[in-house]
Amino acid sequence: GAGVSQSPRYKVAKRGQDVALRCDPISGHVSLFWYQQALGQGPEFLTYFQNEAQLDKSGLPSDRFFAERPEGSVSTLKIQRTQQEDSAVYLCASSLVVDEQFFGPGTRLTVL
Amino acid sequence: KQEVTQIPAALSVPEGENLVLNCSFTDSAIYNLQWFRQDPGKGLTSLLLIQSSQREQTSGRLNASLDKSSGRSTLYIAASQPGDSATYLCAALNSGNTPLVFGKGTRLSVIA
Repeated sequence: GAGVSQSPRYKVAKRGQDVALRCDPISGHVSLFWYQQALGQGPEFLTYFQNEAQLDKSGLPSDRFFAERPEGSVSTLKIQRTQQEDSAVYLCASSLVVDEQFFGPGTRLTVL
Repeated sequence: KQEVTQIPAALSVPEGENLVLNCSFTDSAIYNLQWFRQDPGKGLTSLLLIQSSQREQTSGRLNASLDKSSGRSTLYIAASQPGDSATYLCAALNSGNTPLVFGKGTRLSVIA
């Protein structure tokens, strides 16, 4: 079956613009995670959903970051008033409730 | 708070050599540990997942071991090939509804 998909794959934004990143998890996967990966670093946790409920958002770096999963499937990560330090690869992963996490290809965000 | 460390940060070996990548974690109360491969500009591909009750997992030329008491995992790659060149990441999961905690990765180059 289809894996986790993310769009867009690449996004260039001018500083101050708002961006929206989309994640389509594997069908039937209850859990969805967002991670941020800076260049040369391992991914770091941003937020976690179980179905439509956002159970943990402790990793969001500022109130400019907002995530939603209104119907318990597709998720959107929104970044308002982007800054240069937001430049990174944003990875989405999904899993059954307690299981192996499967990752999408990521969205590479560059803020100029 | 779980912390994951990977040594070395980079490794270059000639084709055909057997090699070991190291991963250490500070909190031994893990649920499972995953090894991932990441090619440049790509997402994460899961290689092996070791449950906390297991000592090792094997897939083809890859073997991953887990020693919870010492807080260590190793990824053994036999008869390395140029196609194995990538960054290898390990990640610990502390419980079912928590995010993965990643190391910074080991960048492997296999020279033909």
